[in-house]
Amino acid sequence: DVKVTQSSRYLVKRTGEKVFLECVQDMDHENMFWYRQDPGLGLRLIYFSYDVKMKEKGDIPEGYSVSREKKERFSLILESASTNQTSMYLCASWTAINYGYTFGSGTRLTVV
Amino acid sequence: AQSVTQLDSHVSVSEGTPVLLRCNYSSSYSPSLFWYVQHPNKGLQLLLKYTSAATLVKGINGFEAEFKKSETSFHLTKPSAHMSDAAEYFCVVSALGQGGKLIFGQGTELSVKP
Repeated sequence: DVKVTQSSRYLVKRTGEKVFLECVQDMDHENMFWYRQDPGLGLRLIYFSYDVKMKEKGDIPEGYSVSREKKERFSLILESASTNQTSMYLCASWTAINYGYTFGSGTRLTVV
Repeated sequence: AQSVTQLDSHVSVSEGTPVLLRCNYSSSYSPSLFWYVQHPNKGLQLLLKYTSAATLVKGINGFEAEFKKSETSFHLTKPSAHMSDAAEYFCVVSALGQGGKLIFGQGTELSVKP
């Protein structure tokens, strides 16, 4: 079965900390995405990557950066965490073949 | 540009009655449309998808949706609600050639009363 694995289910960090959220997929998908989910807002795209070392800003990239050094791994970085970044973060991967889209189970980040 | 509007933030039905969750979309391209469901503290699960084949799309758990280009709608229906259907539902649009980027609606929370 295809999988997108997010390294942490729950995370608590302090304001100002540098935070890394890791995502790994085992499907050899080309594209990977980071979304954040907030009540009443649905999911909003932060960044996506369509190839190794390539990245594109999504709708809400401010305060975030990403890294994709290997095809299977896509990391989201909060350079200096703030309380308004408390949210559920979802990673996803996608392939043009059969329009396959797979989500990870999410990381609930709390910044205190 | 693409966008999605879910017309109801909350819908409440009685068990055994029909479900209707409404979604309108806007897309400059030929869209692909999806409905996802998320149960409390669970991940997103794909219910169904439309990718320019038949306009009436059947999904899992008895759900179906009809793509109506003239009305730019993609409403989700189910003939008879079950208690296990209580969850949040997201209507999603993606445009061909956009590399898999998805635009999510705000979500509709479905409650099912016994």
